[in-house]
Amino acid sequence: ILNVEQSPQSLHVQEGDSTNFTCSFPSSNFYALHWYRWETAKSPEALFVMTLNGDEKKKGRISATLNTKEGYSYLYIKGSQPEDSATYLCAQPPNQAGTALIFGKGTTLSVSS
Amino acid sequence: EPEVTQTPSHQVTQMGQEVILRCVPISNHLYFYWYRQILGQKVEFLVSFYNNEISEKSEIFDDQFSVERPDGSNFTLKIRSTKLEDSAMYFCASKLAGNTDTQYFGPGTRLTVL
Repeated sequence: ILNVEQSPQSLHVQEGDSTNFTCSFPSSNFYALHWYRWETAKSPEALFVMTLNGDEKKKGRISATLNTKEGYSYLYIKGSQPEDSATYLCAQPPNQAGTALIFGKGTTLSVSS
Repeated sequence: EPEVTQTPSHQVTQMGQEVILRCVPISNHLYFYWYRQILGQKVEFLVSFYNNEISEKSEIFDDQFSVERPDGSNFTLKIRSTKLEDSAMYFCASKLAGNTDTQYFGPGTRLTVL
C-alpha cells in the first residue's frame, strides 16, 4: 500500500522567513508527485506535477524539487507572506494505470506578520 | 478560469438517511473523482469515473455509495444510508486526460451525520 508522509505536521514562521517542508514516498514504482495548496474553505489549488528525478518547478516564491531515487520532494517558500498560510498537500498515483491520488496528511503553515 | 463547483457547501443529515452530493466538473474534462477527508485524517480516494463507468474504487466505496453522471455536466455521489462515520468533507475533482495531468478540486461539501 502506497504511504505518503509529510513533515513537519505544522509550522509557524514570521513574515519574510523562508521555509521548506518534505514529502516522502516509496522510491520504487514512482509515477508522479503532485503538490497542492489548500486554504480553509477553498478548493485545494494545484501547484506542481513532477515526474522526473531531479525535476525543479517554480511558481512565484514557491518552488519544489524531486528526488525519486531516495523518495522525497521538498517544497520551498521564499520570503513567506501571511497569504501563504495554508495546508500544503503532496500526493501520488499508486500505479501507472491508475489515476487516483494517495495523499499525505499535509503540512499546515502559519505565517505571522 | 474554469473551476469545479460543488453543492451544497454543508449538508446535515440524520443517520440512515440518503444524501446526494453534487459536482459540476470542468466542462472538457474526461476523468472525475470523489475524495473525502475525515477531520484530522488524510484526504482519501473514494472513486474515479471515466467514459460513463467507474474506473477505480477504494475499499471505502462499498455498496452504500454510488456515483452517476446523469447529464453532460453533473457528477453526483450518493450515500444510501448514512452512518456517523460518513461525516467528512467530500471533494469532487476532475482532470482532462493523461495520467500525470493535474486534478482540479472543488471546494468540498461538509457532510455531518447526526
